Amino acid sequence: NAGVMQNPRHLVRRRGQEARLRCSPMKGHSHVYWYRQLPEEGLKFMVYLQKENIIDESGMPKERFSAEFPKEGPSILRIQQVVRGDSAAYFCASSPTLSSYEQYFGPGTRLTVT
Amino acid sequence: AQRVTQPEKLLSVFKGAPVELKCNYSYSGSPELFWYVQYSRQRLQLLLRHISRESIKGFTADLNKGETSFHLKKPFAQEEDSAMYYCALGGAQGGSEKLVFGKGTKLTVNP
Repeated sequence: NAGVMQNPRHLVRRRGQEARLRCSPMKGHSHVYWYRQLPEEGLKFMVYLQKENIIDESGMPKERFSAEFPKEGPSILRIQQVVRGDSAAYFCASSPTLSSYEQYFGPGTRLTVT
Repeated sequence: AQRVTQPEKLLSVFKGAPVELKCNYSYSGSPELFWYVQYSRQRLQLLLRHISRESIKGFTADLNKGETSFHLKKPFAQEEDSAMYYCALGGAQGGSEKLVFGKGTKLTVNP
């Protein structure tokens, strides 16, 4: 089992471009969480998804950010019209069930906006 | 509101010395507490969780509801313990089991 996969590991975007971050959960896991870590900060929850459903997006900024977890394929976190403040590490975690106990984290994607 | 506080950003000890990483939380319900560790160039991984009351790599943590604390302790630190440590609060919140993280403590164990 390869674990949670995230790609790309590093992404550089100019202001105004779109960023797409991908997360492939562990095999058999149908729950995905996205977290963002700003410099010098802890990880902050963004969104929780199950296959084809957004369950909790209370941590998502109201504009420019969206997430999906289609029936087939990875979960995608999309950031439109990126700004410098979006520069951060974005982590994905997956879980086989609705449980805090079993969240397995990916290596993260480091987004840099120039 | 759920909150996790790790008051020490940096902690440095010598090999063989005891180490305690502090964590305090704020949560109105019944908390589920975790410690995660991130070694250099590795992904975040679960170190231990309060409900299992287990000891991993010599680390233990006791949930003190009176003091709302979940400090991580190890009697004899090793150089390989050098890493970032994050305390996290979990539990059903708004229909999901999201984790609330502290800002982390960077532990350095000197030879």
